Amino acid sequence: ETGVTQTPRHLVMGMTNKKSWKCEQHLGHNAMYWYKQSAKKPLELMFVYNFKEQTENNSVPSRFSPECPNSSHLFLHLHTLQPEDSALYLCASSQGYERGTDTQYFGPGTRLTVL
Amino acid sequence: KQEVTQIPAALSVPEGENLVLNCSFTDSAIYNLQWFRQDPGKGLTSLLLIQSSQREQTSGRLNASLDKSSGRSTLYIAASQPGDSATYLCAGSSNTGKLIFGQGTTLQVKP
Repeated sequence: ETGVTQTPRHLVMGMTNKKSWKCEQHLGHNAMYWYKQSAKKPLELMFVYNFKEQTENNSVPSRFSPECPNSSHLFLHLHTLQPEDSALYLCASSQGYERGTDTQYFGPGTRLTVL
Repeated sequence: KQEVTQIPAALSVPEGENLVLNCSFTDSAIYNLQWFRQDPGKGLTSLLLIQSSQREQTSGRLNASLDKSSGRSTLYIAASQPGDSATYLCAGSSNTGKLIFGQGTTLQVKP
């Protein structure tokens, strides 16, 4: 688990709150990912950053705003939350993105509960 | 559009049993197929990655196979142990590395 860390691990928020959470990878990778895991739904890719540039936005609502200041850090900023945003948000990293053969390493996740 | 399905959704077996988890995908243009393990409240751990040119991969008691023509992959677990209890996810990817996940099979191995 120490390869990819996520903070905080748990968040409880009201719908009018704004909040950010962080992912950090210590593996020297160049690609980082945000995934959403909701109850009874498959894991869904949200965003991909490759060499700090966003290369994928999987039709995510604009209330989610990612930020990648460098290849080791990835943030997810949220505002005006909805109950359906309650989920486990997983961060992952890999050596590269457009290579198809690179294993993705996952963090433990940030569990968001929207009241 | 690639879709990944896993059957069964849940499985309970006695310790020591050999078992097979199934994964099917709709697009045979899959680039590779990965199997992950997820423990409750934790992230995913990669178990095996099968590239499109390969038919199987083995790691310890785990063996994963890939049949692109039939759109299927299986994960075989030999001599199951209580520590194998977890949710197992398969994911197919395109050559860009974008992963499409199944919903997972939750395995319980009873002592």
